[in-house]
Amino acid sequence: ETGVTQSPTHLIKTRGQQVTLRCSSQSGHNTVSWYQQALGQGPQFIFQYYREEENGRGNFPPRFSGLQFPNYSSELNVNALELDDSALYLCASSLKTDMNTEAFFGQGTRLTVV
Amino acid sequence: AQKITQTQPGMFVQEKEAVTLDCTYDTSDQSYGLFWYKQPSSGEMIFLIYQGSYDEQNATEGRYSLNFQKARKSANLVISASQLGDSAMYFCAMSKRRNDYKLSFGAGTTVTVRA
Repeated sequence: ETGVTQSPTHLIKTRGQQVTLRCSSQSGHNTVSWYQQALGQGPQFIFQYYREEENGRGNFPPRFSGLQFPNYSSELNVNALELDDSALYLCASSLKTDMNTEAFFGQGTRLTVV
Repeated sequence: AQKITQTQPGMFVQEKEAVTLDCTYDTSDQSYGLFWYKQPSSGEMIFLIYQGSYDEQNATEGRYSLNFQKARKSANLVISASQLGDSAMYFCAMSKRRNDYKLSFGAGTTVTVRA
């Protein structure tokens, strides 16, 4: 098991609502990346946070937003939920250094929008 | 932009045999990194192996080896001596740098190991 914890594990929301997903990073890691994985597809990069600042964003609309806290845990917020937002949301924590390091993924939050 | 293509949606392999999972990629970057991850039904991505674009030797990690052919833009994963626990989804991914972790993933290949 990795030290990356995501909550909640499952969530059902109604179209138009807002949702917040949480990720606690591995101890010592300063970077969190978020991914959306639709059923039967590979994960798509949403954005990355490094030391509380957004450090890169994929092709996702502004209603996908995030935060990183001083302890490097992170939140993903999605406003105005759409049916297509139904997916497994994965976070990965890593340490941004000059050395080769590994990213560790959480087990994901499965979001269903009805 | 980086693009990963995995053309095998599903594969069956007999226990103790080897299996090769195909991955081709497209990028305009001179420097990049290629990853393979395993995703069991529990959902988390498990890192298997990494190959840097400037690495001259093919990467190996235990039963996993990466057949890197830069000119063909392919990075196939070979799993030797398959075990029942290898049954999972396998994803090829790439990033601009080793520690970047802004990964572009392929669509994945489901591997089922038969006893």
